Amino acid sequence: DAKTTQPPSMDCAEGRAANLPCNHSTISGNEYVYWYRQIHSQGPQYIIHGLKNNETNEMASLIITEDRKSSTLILPHATLRDTAVYYCIVRVVYSGGGADGLTFGKGTHLIIQP
Amino acid sequence: GAGVSQSPRYKVAKRGQDVALRCDPISGHVSLFWYQQALGQGPEFLTYFQNEAQLDKSGLPSDRFFAERPEGSVSTLKIQRTQQEDSAVYLCASSLAPGGNTGELFFGEGSRLTVL
Repeated sequence: DAKTTQPPSMDCAEGRAANLPCNHSTISGNEYVYWYRQIHSQGPQYIIHGLKNNETNEMASLIITEDRKSSTLILPHATLRDTAVYYCIVRVVYSGGGADGLTFGKGTHLIIQP
Repeated sequence: GAGVSQSPRYKVAKRGQDVALRCDPISGHVSLFWYQQALGQGPEFLTYFQNEAQLDKSGLPSDRFFAERPEGSVSTLKIQRTQQEDSAVYLCASSLAPGGNTGELFFGEGSRLTVL
């Protein structure tokens, strides 16, 4: 079973920030939060990941609460091409290197409205 | 190309036929994963290779499913005596480091199997 809870769908207006929530209340100390997205008829695409600090890259920002029980993925200026299913995944990373594979839930279907 | 390549992109099989799905990972990637994605669902793990060694096959749904990666590069997922419930998109992903490390998995576009 997936260890995360996400809303099944969300709408966002083009040009606005899209904020996608994720609950992971049972996250453990060696689990990272990963976000992937899947555009229709394509394979999943990595977006960003983090442990406890907020992270930002060219695609998105990841805000993780201090207790690490929830996080928010932020797409700062959503475009129509951001319409996709967004998956929040918690993943064990081992102190000696190496990590578990990815366990996907159903994700959030984000629809960007023109 | 530089990405993960899967073939065929689309496969229609009659129930009972055997099928083989191919995955060409990114050159030099040690880890290779197979996932099955049913319509409207997230991808579900099938099996994992580190080089030529199949380290985890716990997700394979039955003994009709078999995967191999004999030279630690190209992988083939074989499904024998296909059933209608095998209809799905089969995704392959590769990663540079063993176990996937903390880095990203790169996914192919998938092979869509339809069993009639």
